[in-house]
Amino acid sequence: KAGVTQTPRYLIKTRGQQVTLSCSPISGHRSVSWYQQTPGQGLQFLFEYFSETQRNKGNFPGRFSGRQFSNSRSEMNVSTLELGDSALYLCASSRRLSPNEQFFGPGTRLTVL
Amino acid sequence: QQQVKQSPQSLIVQKGGISIINCAYENTAFDYFPWYQQFPGKGPALLIAIRPDVSEKKEGRFTISFNKSAKQFSLHIMDSQPGDSATYFCAASKDGATNKLIFGTGTLLAVQP
Repeated sequence: KAGVTQTPRYLIKTRGQQVTLSCSPISGHRSVSWYQQTPGQGLQFLFEYFSETQRNKGNFPGRFSGRQFSNSRSEMNVSTLELGDSALYLCASSRRLSPNEQFFGPGTRLTVL
Repeated sequence: QQQVKQSPQSLIVQKGGISIINCAYENTAFDYFPWYQQFPGKGPALLIAIRPDVSEKKEGRFTISFNKSAKQFSLHIMDSQPGDSATYFCAASKDGATNKLIFGTGTLLAVQP
């Protein structure tokens, strides 16, 4: 069974640009969550989607947005990039929307110059 | 109240020894407590998880001990091996329709041969 896949794996952008990251969950998983990982702030929850609806949102500015498609694949978008957005962006998938096993992808390493 | 406090920040253990990592939480609404292992350049991998209705859960060399009254839980790695050298994160999730995880700050474990 294939795991969570994320594309691209690495990305370099400049300040002010926007970026879109993609996540394909494990087959049969309908819940997708996104996390930002930085050395200073650790792992922080961005948002959570289930059945194409955002169910929960973390404490991030509106420049961070996401969506989920009918096949459960998800994308997140960051507009007007700032240097501080440099991070590893992780996607996690789960079968259902309640506390249970979540499986993480390898992440997308975003560097903002 | 949303925090999960993890200690120690780093840990050095001899091969064959026991590694112990501790976490504490404040929010009694937390209902699910997983541990994740992360190697450099990889996403976190689910190791083992526990719910408050049990005090201990064992899977192979990994054991979670849970103390509901003290609001603490810990990961024990028995017979630690050099291949266990990684960063370990505890996390917590609230009961209800969410998979949102609140992560501890991580423990960098080094197992010396």
